[in-house]
Amino acid sequence: DTAVSQTPKYLVTQMGNDKSIKCEQNLGHDTMYWYKQDSKKFLKIMFSYNNKELIINETVPNRFSPKSPDKAHLNLHINSLELGDSAVYFCASSQASGGPYEQYFGPGTRLTVT
Amino acid sequence: GDSVTQMEGPVTLSEEAFLTINCTYTATGYPSLFWYVQYPGEGLQLLLKATKADDKGSNKGFEATYRKETTSFHLEKGSVQVSDSAVYFCAPLGGYQKVTFGTGTKLQVIP
Repeated sequence: DTAVSQTPKYLVTQMGNDKSIKCEQNLGHDTMYWYKQDSKKFLKIMFSYNNKELIINETVPNRFSPKSPDKAHLNLHINSLELGDSAVYFCASSQASGGPYEQYFGPGTRLTVT
Repeated sequence: GDSVTQMEGPVTLSEEAFLTINCTYTATGYPSLFWYVQYPGEGLQLLLKATKADDKGSNKGFEATYRKETTSFHLEKGSVQVSDSAVYFCAPLGGYQKVTFGTGTKLQVIP
C-alpha cells in the first residue's frame, strides 16, 4: 500500500500555463506538507496544513496555492508557470502534536516548464 | 530561524570505507534531530533520529550522536556499501513540526 502518493510523476508544460499536482496520504496523519527541491537537491518547505488548516506558509509566490479538501489530501495549484518553477515537488505527511514525528514523503513530481 | 550546515559533496568512497558526514545546526532551544536519505529517483525517508542531548540514533549500520555542546549531529558508518549511494540530509525539527533541511550531501560508493 502506498503511504503518500502524488500525481502526476512527470509534468511538462509551457510558460504561462496553470497546472495542479495532487497528493494523498493513507496514513491517517493530520499534517501535510509541500516541498520544492531544486536541481542542486536543496529542499525548501513551501506549505504545511494541519487538519485542513494552513500552518506554514513560507515565502512563496502567490501563484502557488495549496488546497486541502480533507486531511488526507493536499493539492498544489500553480498559476502562470515560469521557467524558475522547474523543480521536483514533494508532498509529505506526519502526525501532528506531541512529536517529534518523522515525515513520510511521496515519490515526487518532476515539473519541467519550457 | 533554524539553519543547518552540511559538508559539501559529493563524497566518493570505496566499498567498506568509513563514512563521516558532518552536520552542525543553529536552532532555538533543543530541537529533535533527524537524518533523512534520498535514493536516486525517490522521495526522502527517515534514516535515524535523536530527540535529546547525548542520544544516539542508529539504523542500517549508520549512527549519529546528538551533541548539544557543539550543536552537531554527524553521521557515521563503519563500512559503506554500494547500496548506500544516495543523498543524505541533516534536519532539525522545530515548532509546528517544521523541518529545516540541510543542503544534502551526495555519497557515491564505488566497488
